[in-house]
Parts: sequence; C-alpha cells; structure tokens
Amino acid sequence: ETGVTQSPTHLIKTRGQQVTLRCSSQSGHNTVSWYQQALGQGPQFIFQYYREEENGRGNFPPRFSGLQFPNYSSELNVNALELDDSALYLCASSRDSPETQYFGPGTRLLVL
Amino acid sequence: GESVGLHLPTLSVQEGDNSIINCAYSNSASDYFIWYKQESGKGPQFIIDIRSNMDKRQGQRVTVLLNKTVKHLSLQIAATQPGDSAVYFCAENGGAAGGSYIPTFGRGTSLIVHP
Repeated sequence: ETGVTQSPTHLIKTRGQQVTLRCSSQSGHNTVSWYQQALGQGPQFIFQYYREEENGRGNFPPRFSGLQFPNYSSELNVNALELDDSALYLCASSRDSPETQYFGPGTRLLVL
Repeated sequence: GESVGLHLPTLSVQEGDNSIINCAYSNSASDYFIWYKQESGKGPQFIIDIRSNMDKRQGQRVTVLLNKTVKHLSLQIAATQPGDSAVYFCAENGGAAGGSYIPTFGRGTSLIVHP
C-alpha cells in the first residue's frame, strides 16, 4: 500500500450535480496531483498542487477545481456534472519532486 | 496533438517467459519516462523510470529501453509470473512551463500471464 487514501471509494451522481472527492497524501508528501481515468484508458492529468498552490493544469474545464490544505490533503471539486465525467479519479502524492508519485486506489464516479 | 501510445492492447504470455511491452511517444521534448503497473481496483504503481540521457535502465526483473531516435520505449519483464498480470502504462513528462511535471499516459497494455 502507498499510504495515499481517497474517499469515497464509489459515488453515484446525476447530471448537473456537484461532487467533492478527497485525498489524504502519504506522510511527508507536499505535492498532490489529480487524474481522471476513463474505462480502458490511461490516466489523464487534471491538475497538481504544491504547498497549497496550483502548480500545473491539464486540459480540463474550469468546472474542475481543487484545493490543498495545510496538512497537504486535497479535494477535487467538479461542478455541473456531465455523463462523460464518469470515471475513476486518482490522486497521487509526492515529496517535492512530482516525478516519483504514489497513487491512491481512486474514487469511481458514475454520473447518471 | 502530442500523444503517447502503445502498440498492443493485450499481451498473453506463459509463466516463466520474458515479456516485452512497447510504447511509442511523439513529443520529442519529453525528458523523463515512467512505467506503471495497474492491477484491478488499484491505482497505478511505479515500476521503473528513465531519463532521456539514458538508453537503458535495469531494476529487479525489469528493464526499460529508450530509443530516442525512433521515439520508442519498452519494458522488459524477465521470468514473468502470474502476479505480473496487470495493465501496464508508459508515461512521459512533456516538460511544462515552470518545470511542473505534467505526465502524459498512454492507453495501456493488458498483460495476461498463463500458469
């Protein structure tokens, strides 16, 4: 196990709703990255937080937003959910260098 | 746009054989590459990495080869075991502004090991 935890494990929402996913990083890690993994695809980078500041963003619309807290845990918020947002959402943490990331088990989101 | 792709979506091997998983990348600016293993119901797990100033790196039972001329990356697994069955992803760092690590993952290859 990596020490990275995510909650909830599964979630069902309907179109137009909002969702908040949570991630606790591994002890000592100050960098958190979020990914979206559609079924049968590789993870797609959403954004990264380093010491509570956004430090890079992928090709996702503004309705995908995030936060990192002083204890380096993080949230991913998605507004106005769409059917295509159904996916596994992964969080990965690292210390300073985001190249060596440790992934959590993910949150599986289903949008109906 | 730039992309990372894999040649084969599924690879079936016999236990004890060597496995080779291939990956093509198109971003010539990529300077860092990682192979991940993802088992069912789990997040990706780091296997091995390589920087663009190297062409080969070895780990425990795994070797990564990088051919920058043809933009090709491969993962070799020696004496493949049933526990190696998983989806394998290559990821590249295209090098974002400010030095952020923005990884681009390929679609993945499913490795099936038959006992």
